[in-house]
Amino acid sequence: AQKITQTQPGMFVQEKEAVTLDCTYDTSDQSYGLFWYKQPSSGEMIFLIYQGSYDEQNATEGRYSLNFQKARKSANLVISASQLGDSAMYFCAMRTPDSNYQLIWGAGTKLIIKP
Amino acid sequence: DAGVTQSPTHLIKTRGQQVTLRCSPKSGHDTVSWYQQALGQGPQFIFQYYEEEERQRGNFPDRFSGHQFPNYSSELNVNALLLGDSALYLCASSSQGVVHEQFFGPGTRLTVL
Repeated sequence: AQKITQTQPGMFVQEKEAVTLDCTYDTSDQSYGLFWYKQPSSGEMIFLIYQGSYDEQNATEGRYSLNFQKARKSANLVISASQLGDSAMYFCAMRTPDSNYQLIWGAGTKLIIKP
Repeated sequence: DAGVTQSPTHLIKTRGQQVTLRCSPKSGHDTVSWYQQALGQGPQFIFQYYEEEERQRGNFPDRFSGHQFPNYSSELNVNALLLGDSALYLCASSSQGVVHEQFFGPGTRLTVL
């Protein structure tokens, strides 16, 4: 069965600190894609970063990086130098050939940045 | 370049009524997916449209139906509304063959009383 697990329901982090949001996945497919999205209280789902299963380098986008550990089926999001505007829900999602047309989502992590 | 747009932003309906939600994909995208997100949960896939046809469907009853128009815009229809249909409905657009892109609209928040 394909599944995304996010074990941290909520996190409090001091402003300017780095934060790691955990994500583990389960799939028997060799080819898959992993996504991270940010959802502020306004509701819009904002794409942050993508990692393909065959990508040799960890994906990076500005302050966001993805710590991809394929053997452990782990795809943690790292946010460097956190800002107050980073407070939001964060979702990890996966797309596989088996789920070719849909994203499979985790339950999300609520991140709160403290000033 | 306009991103994904959805209308209306908010909607209040009563049980048993019908509702239509609309989505225009990002320029250059030809595929539209619909998701339902209940409060405090991750999104759940409803269905996806490509070339005006439903390509795949999630675990949702037939009360949920959709349509895609030649200009790639899409509608989501829900009949016989239930209280449990109250949720944020998200539309995502993408392009066939481009697996790493799926952009979302701001969503429509539906409340069923």
